[in-house]
Amino acid sequence: EADIYQTPRYLVIGTGKKITLECSQTMGHDKMYWYQQDPGMELHLIHYSYGVNSTEKGDLSSESTVSRIRTEHFPLTLESARPSHTSQYLCASSDHQSNQPQHFGDGTRLSIL
Amino acid sequence: AQKITQTQPGMFVQEKEAVTLDCTYDTSDPSYGLFWYKQPSSGEMIFLIYQGSYDQQNATEGRYSLNFQKARKSANLVISASQLGDSAMYFCAMREGNYGGATNKLIFGTGTLLAVQP
Repeated sequence: EADIYQTPRYLVIGTGKKITLECSQTMGHDKMYWYQQDPGMELHLIHYSYGVNSTEKGDLSSESTVSRIRTEHFPLTLESARPSHTSQYLCASSDHQSNQPQHFGDGTRLSIL
Repeated sequence: AQKITQTQPGMFVQEKEAVTLDCTYDTSDPSYGLFWYKQPSSGEMIFLIYQGSYDQQNATEGRYSLNFQKARKSANLVISASQLGDSAMYFCAMREGNYGGATNKLIFGTGTLLAVQP
């Protein structure tokens, strides 16, 4: 059973607010990822991290930022939320071995009014 | 460029029957991995099965099996004895690189929505 947690599960908030989506994993995985997924659509990688103090932008451009100060924690921040940020955000982590799957959290469904 | 294609937006299957979900991929890297994930309506992503490009045998995991045809660049998921709880979106994904140093980043297909009918 994968141990990766995302909070909040749902968030409805007004335009212009600063938002932080939390993601934590207890498996000691070096690699962590953030994906954005619109309803019924595929996942798009927006950020990833190889380890502490290592972050890279993903294939889909995003106005969000991430940090990786501790191995287990990979929060995503939107400085000023806009309706276009409405989506589901999924966090994942993986072992360094390439044949191991990414383990996903339950996701955060974000709605910006 | 790497790409995953799932051509079936939706599928129906009768309970207890088998169903095949199609996935084709494109990559120039000789070393890669293929994954299938299930996403119920609640939104979480559940790992189902993995196939490495150099694996000699098709992967199996309980009722799930992967029909890997390397020359055709296809990695179809077969679900045997479908259950009502199998109703979900299914995503095929590819990771480049099977060895140390790989980013382990995944590229996802657009998914297939499977509905199991009683």
